[in-house]
Amino acid sequence: GENVEQHPSTLSVQEGDSAVIKCTYSDSASNYFPWYKQELGKGPQLIIDIRSNVGEKKDQRIAVTLNKTAKHFSLHITETQPEDSAVYFCAVNSGSARQLTFGSGTQLTVLP
Amino acid sequence: NAGVTQTPKFRILKIGQSMTLQCTQDMNHNYMYWYRQDPGMGLKLIYYSVGAGITDKGEVPNGYNVSRSTTEDFPLRLELAAPSQTSVYFCASSFEASDEQYFGPGTRLTVT
Repeated sequence: GENVEQHPSTLSVQEGDSAVIKCTYSDSASNYFPWYKQELGKGPQLIIDIRSNVGEKKDQRIAVTLNKTAKHFSLHITETQPEDSAVYFCAVNSGSARQLTFGSGTQLTVLP
Repeated sequence: NAGVTQTPKFRILKIGQSMTLQCTQDMNHNYMYWYRQDPGMGLKLIYYSVGAGITDKGEVPNGYNVSRSTTEDFPLRLELAAPSQTSVYFCASSFEASDEQYFGPGTRLTVT
């Protein structure tokens, strides 16, 4: 099955700095790469996604880059704010039903 | 729209007991999913459904069963609960595969 590795597992940044989280995957047929944010006690919520026909996508302070050749993609958050503190998960589609396989998560803490 | 709703929010079971976790979505989504999330880990897919009457196993199906008699409902049944099933369970839905998944608030289950 698909293997998704996510790094780092924890990340602390000063407010206003940038944060980068990276994921690698194994299935070369994967073509959908979403990122989810999970706040404490809640279900994950999609924040941005990218498909394999583009290399980068940006939405205000959040961007995702994809390198299909190297099979890795990254989440970039600029000008971090305390409300960005949460757990972030990457995911990759795979399998016959294109179901998602999730990374193990990154706990991001933005220090005021 | 309420989105994805799950009941109960919390439950404590004794070893060997059974229970059903309820999940309902009001977005007319075709796809529904059940995940479990263990502490510090990502989401593992238990079962999924691509439409009413169609279900399939995910990565960790042992000890669970599902049914999908309607588009809206996707209950998860635990038979003979074991301590290894202590986890937070999330239900999710999407219109298509490789599309945004909408998550419910989760059910925190403890088996003692």
